[in-house]
Amino acid sequence: DIQMTQSPASLSASLGETVSIECLASEGISNDLAWYQQKSGKSPQLLIYAASRLQDGVPSRFSGSGSGTRYSLKISGMQPEDEADYFCQQSYKYPYTFGAGTKLELK
Amino acid sequence: EVQLVESGGSLVQPGGSLKLSCVASGYTFSNYWMDWVRQTPGKSLEWIGEINTDGSKTNYAPSIKDRFTISRDNAKSTLYLQMSNVKSDDTAIYYCTRAGGSDYFDYWGQGVMVTVSS
Repeated sequence: DIQMTQSPASLSASLGETVSIECLASEGISNDLAWYQQKSGKSPQLLIYAASRLQDGVPSRFSGSGSGTRYSLKISGMQPEDEADYFCQQSYKYPYTFGAGTKLELK
Repeated sequence: EVQLVESGGSLVQPGGSLKLSCVASGYTFSNYWMDWVRQTPGKSLEWIGEINTDGSKTNYAPSIKDRFTISRDNAKSTLYLQMSNVKSDDTAIYYCTRAGGSDYFDYWGQGVMVTVSS
């Protein structure tokens, strides 16, 4: 199975601060990577797919980048509503696998 | 508006069986692959498996293969997950998801809780 190592496990950001979350795949995944946001008590929601493509309706302060084994999610200007858990997911090879998640809190 | 509504979650004894359902609306169900994903109490997400548009092909995670079966009824816009010989490790919230291109999950249901305990 492809292991997805996500970091950091948690972080705290101030209003307006730029935040980055990283995912390292145990092998190359050819940009077959998605990012999800999960707010407390809710289902995950798709933010980014194909490593860098923004899902319809997602604010433009969210962006994704990376290639090969290293990928990142950036939030340019932390907002209160961004407080959530974030997960990466690879769909390059079966079984599809997720990162362990990053808990983002507002400082 | 796309909606996925799961049902069927409950408390089940180890070794028992359970069938989850997911009714889809707001789009043409038969045009999309569908997946099941679960989230453990520790919040880890695990992909369970997927089914193609006409139900003729499925793929499963090794951890549940031969115990769980995914099926669909396109006439009823309904996805199913048949769970057999369940174990305590199967305790989780089970989500029905729609697969967008390249097998990311663009819509999720609200989730249904399955607890395996004696």
